[in-house]
Amino acid sequence: EMQLVESGGGLVQPGGSLRLSCVASGFTLSTSSMNWVRQAPGKGLEWVSYISDSSNTIYYADSVKGRFTISRDNAENSLYLQMNSLRAEDTAVYYCAKKSRSARGENWFDPWGQGTLVTVSS
Amino acid sequence: DIQMTQSPSSLSASVGDRVTITCRASQSVSTYLNWYQQKPGKAPKVLIYAASSLQSGVPARVSGSGSGTDFTLTISGLQPEDFATYYCQQTYSRPHTFGQGTKLEIK
Repeated sequence: EMQLVESGGGLVQPGGSLRLSCVASGFTLSTSSMNWVRQAPGKGLEWVSYISDSSNTIYYADSVKGRFTISRDNAENSLYLQMNSLRAEDTAVYYCAKKSRSARGENWFDPWGQGTLVTVSS
Repeated sequence: DIQMTQSPSSLSASVGDRVTITCRASQSVSTYLNWYQQKPGKAPKVLIYAASSLQSGVPARVSGSGSGTDFTLTISGLQPEDFATYYCQQTYSRPHTFGQGTKLEIK
């Protein structure tokens, strides 16, 4: 069974930093493109960042560009999100999710991790 | 960015009912449209991918249709476990935007 487990969330002051981790099991992370998605309390889903299997292609949402950095360690089967200059509006549950793809090229997110809560507050 | 608009935002229904949720894209996304179910405190789970393909393990009472800008998610014979929030998502272009969600509640 494919599984993702996030960690690293917690309470941080505005302007602070935090590094989230996502460990994969049941599949080989090195052949998978991955995403981070967040959900503010009581709100909807917001895509945050994407990294290709080789790390050659990386994208960020405008809301986090220049502050967040996505990376991966395929040898450790792990995905990371380094979050700097954190703001109150970054408070959310952060999910990692694997990109799945059909033969025709359509793609979707599956599976998702259970999420890790980041709270930015003084 | 492509905007995804779901309707309704909330919906009350009874066990056994048939419900339909609509998702409209601000521009064509072809069939790059997915539907997720989320229960409180849990991660989203894909139900439908590529507009109409049923994810393995999802009951056949769930179906999706549409292409271009207009899509629907239909659940027939509602079961207690279907009461949740549903999101559409386009993966045609980045950022891969989600709809605002539709909360399905028990009447």
